[in-house]
Amino acid sequence: EIVLTQSPVTLSLSPGERATLSCRASQSLSSYLAWYQQKPGQAPRLLIYDASDRATGIPARFSGSGSGTDFTLTISSLEPEDFAVYYCQQRSNWRYTFGQGTKLEIK
Amino acid sequence: EVQLVESGGGLVQPGGSLRLSCAASELTFSDYNMHWVRQAPGEGLEWVSYISSSGSTTYYADSVKGRFTISRDNAKNSLYLQMNSLRDEDTAVYFCAAQGVVTYYFDYWGQGTLVTVSS
Repeated sequence: EIVLTQSPVTLSLSPGERATLSCRASQSLSSYLAWYQQKPGQAPRLLIYDASDRATGIPARFSGSGSGTDFTLTISSLEPEDFAVYYCQQRSNWRYTFGQGTKLEIK
Repeated sequence: EVQLVESGGGLVQPGGSLRLSCAASELTFSDYNMHWVRQAPGEGLEWVSYISSSGSTTYYADSVKGRFTISRDNAKNSLYLQMNSLRDEDTAVYFCAAQGVVTYYFDYWGQGTLVTVSS
């Protein structure tokens, strides 16, 4: 089973700052990785798929990079609405596992 | 606007059963592979089950295999999750999600339905 490990667990930043979130896989995923954003009481929202493609309607400040086992989600300049929990997800097999999440909080 | 609406959650005793439903609208349901994902209180996301667009192929997480059954009725634009032999650790909000035909990830999500397993 592929395990996704996200770091850091919590990231404290201020609006306007740059956020860098990491996701590491226990096996190579090629580029089969997605990122989701979840706010309290809401369903997750797809941000990035196949490591670097932005989903429909996602602002350009969100970008993804990486391949193999190491992936990064970058938010170039944080807006107040970006403070949330972020999950990575893999689809290289049929189990679609998620990472444990990174909470992005306001400093 | 695409809508996925889950129903059927509630309180059930350990060992009991529950059937969740997910009603889809404003999408060609029969084109979409579908999934169930759950989230225990205060915890992260856990993928539960997959069903292909035709219903011919299903997959399950090890934690629910042999106890849960995913199914769909394309004529009714509906997805189901039959949950048997429920355990305390099955307590969670259960989301249905549609796998995008372009992205192959979870493009659309319902709002979730809470299942509480407790005596």
